[in-house]
Amino acid sequence: LAKTTQPISMDSYEGQEVNITCSHNNIATNDYITWYQQFPSQGPRFIIQGYKTKVTNEVASLFIPADRKSSTLSLPRVSLSDTAVYYCLVTQWEYGNKLVFGAGTILRVKS
Amino acid sequence: EAGVAQSPRYKIIEKRQSVAFWCNPISGHATLYWYQQILGQGPKLLIQFQNNGVVDDSQLPKDRFSAERLKGVDSTLKIQPAKLEDSAVYLCASSLNPGTSGGEGDTQYFGPGTRLTVL
Repeated sequence: LAKTTQPISMDSYEGQEVNITCSHNNIATNDYITWYQQFPSQGPRFIIQGYKTKVTNEVASLFIPADRKSSTLSLPRVSLSDTAVYYCLVTQWEYGNKLVFGAGTILRVKS
Repeated sequence: EAGVAQSPRYKIIEKRQSVAFWCNPISGHATLYWYQQILGQGPKLLIQFQNNGVVDDSQLPKDRFSAERLKGVDSTLKIQPAKLEDSAVYLCASSLNPGTSGGEGDTQYFGPGTRLTVL
């Protein structure tokens, strides 16, 4: 199973753009990148998923370079309510799309 | 659309006691997952059901943990007997139809979890 590496924590201020980078060196051709967000006392919530280049939805953007060895989650103009843990996962079709969570990145947004 | 339901939300038991958690997935979702999340760590998959069959239970401590999904809808996870190290949040998730490469079908939707404290 592919493993991911992401920063343990990040700090930001309200209104700023936050970029969280994740490395995943042994990603396979059929694998794709998935990001989840988790607030205290809640289950993880799906944010975005992508295979290559750029994906954007109403919440975030996901940038994946051509070599697919890393990816960057971009959160535009964060607010205090974006304070949470963000998980980067490689979803592997070969393994039945099993989710293998790491420790995630704790994002703290300050006023 | 109703989300994944779990009960109870909190449970405190003594070690060596038994405990059961219940999960009702999103209507129509074929796949159901149970995860264990220890404080400060990411969730760890315990067992995955596809309808009422087990797909993956490689990380389920089978000497004390059991799970069932008899009718392919709701599911129960049981711990008997509980140990101190079982203190964690137990999360249930469901997805529509995994096994496809990408797409909405394999997105997992999580419930709020059950926080278990073993004393």
